[in-house]
Amino acid sequence: LAKTTQPISMDSYEGQEVNITCSHNNIATNDYITWYQQFPSQGPRFIIQGYKTKVTNEVASLFIPADRKSSTLSLPRVSLSDTAVYYCLVGEGLNAGNMLTFGGGTRLMVKP
Amino acid sequence: ETGVTQSPTHLIKTRGQQVTLRCSSQSGHNTVSWYQQALGQGPQFIFQYYREEENGRGNFPPRFSGLQFPNYSSELNVNALELDDSALYLCASSRLGRGDAEAFFGQGTRLTVV
Repeated sequence: LAKTTQPISMDSYEGQEVNITCSHNNIATNDYITWYQQFPSQGPRFIIQGYKTKVTNEVASLFIPADRKSSTLSLPRVSLSDTAVYYCLVGEGLNAGNMLTFGGGTRLMVKP
Repeated sequence: ETGVTQSPTHLIKTRGQQVTLRCSSQSGHNTVSWYQQALGQGPQFIFQYYREEENGRGNFPPRFSGLQFPNYSSELNVNALELDDSALYLCASSRLGRGDAEAFFGQGTRLTVV
């Protein structure tokens, strides 16, 4: 499985756009990029998944350049409730048996 | 709410004891995976059960074992508890065989070994 590298922590303010970048230099051809969100004392929650270019849903956008060696999770206009740990995962996508490999994640702190 | 429930929510055990954690999967799901999450770290995959058989295992010793029942609920058993087993134990259910087999996590069981 491809290893991922992301910032340990980030700070932001309410109403700002937050971009969290993840590096995955060894991504394989059939790997997808998936992001999970985790609040304290809760299980991770799926946010978004993509393979290339751009994916957008009601929660976030995911930007993937042509070489797919990195990806950026974009959270528009964050609020205090977006304070959480965000994990970038690379693997065979949602249908890969869900044997997920989590790294350390990025701890996002949103301030008033 | 994900529809995945775990019990108990918190547990304190003594080193050397055995513990059983339980997970009820979401309706319609046939696969349960277990994860261990130490404080400040990401979840680590323990093993997965599909149709009552172990379908994959992470880097955990044999004293971590599991079961899946016909109703797809699952148990995680840990024997000979060690202090380092203190963690949040998460289960996730999904439906293998579907192209959109997203995993849904429960709230976890916080195990403290003293």
